[in-house]
Amino acid sequence: GAGVSQTPSNKVTEKGKYVELRCDPISGHTALYWYRQSLGQGPEFLIYFQGTGAADDSGLPNDRFFAVRPEGSVSTLKIQRTERGDSAVYLCASSSTLNTEAFFGQGTRLTVV
Amino acid sequence: AQRVTQPEKLLSVFKGAPVELKCNYSYSGSPELFWYVQYSRQRLQLLLRHISRESIKGFTADLNKGETSFHLKKPFAQEEDSAMYYCALTTSGTYKYIFGTGTRLKVLA
Repeated sequence: GAGVSQTPSNKVTEKGKYVELRCDPISGHTALYWYRQSLGQGPEFLIYFQGTGAADDSGLPNDRFFAVRPEGSVSTLKIQRTERGDSAVYLCASSSTLNTEAFFGQGTRLTVV
Repeated sequence: AQRVTQPEKLLSVFKGAPVELKCNYSYSGSPELFWYVQYSRQRLQLLLRHISRESIKGFTADLNKGETSFHLKKPFAQEEDSAMYYCALTTSGTYKYIFGTGTRLKVLA
């Protein structure tokens, strides 16, 4: 595709449920990032992949959050036992190399009720 | 810890007036600074980065290390400049963006 694609665009889930958010980066981009944007805030870093490995997951808020990128392309952000405080827009971005422009997806708006 | 501060949540100006969106940062080393823009119903996109020292859509930003600022300026605002603007920082050798809380610019006719 032409840009970073995120699915679903909206997700409503009940408290305590498990959710998966998908990111399809720009073809050939080796670096992939996940950010979370709460209402009225700027995006906050969650995790960064270089290829298949998570190079830095220091932004994940707790062990309910996990992300994978098994083939170095598509990534999935997984949230277990969702809480209302997890409600936010989850953004994915990709770049061709380190420290180059990151291209963002449209985001997934997660609402936990 | 690194931090980016955008003191204005909302900035309203009339078309043709000059615009300055403020951004201050805290970092003791050599940062890379960026401005990202999000137009209505569109994704976040890069507007400019300080190392490029270029003007995009009439916007410029100069890194002032003494004042730790990276304010975004445009001499004559256009209605199509109305958007959300985020200042962001990465520290040398890293890839994590640290974003400010954003400033919504409204250009009035």
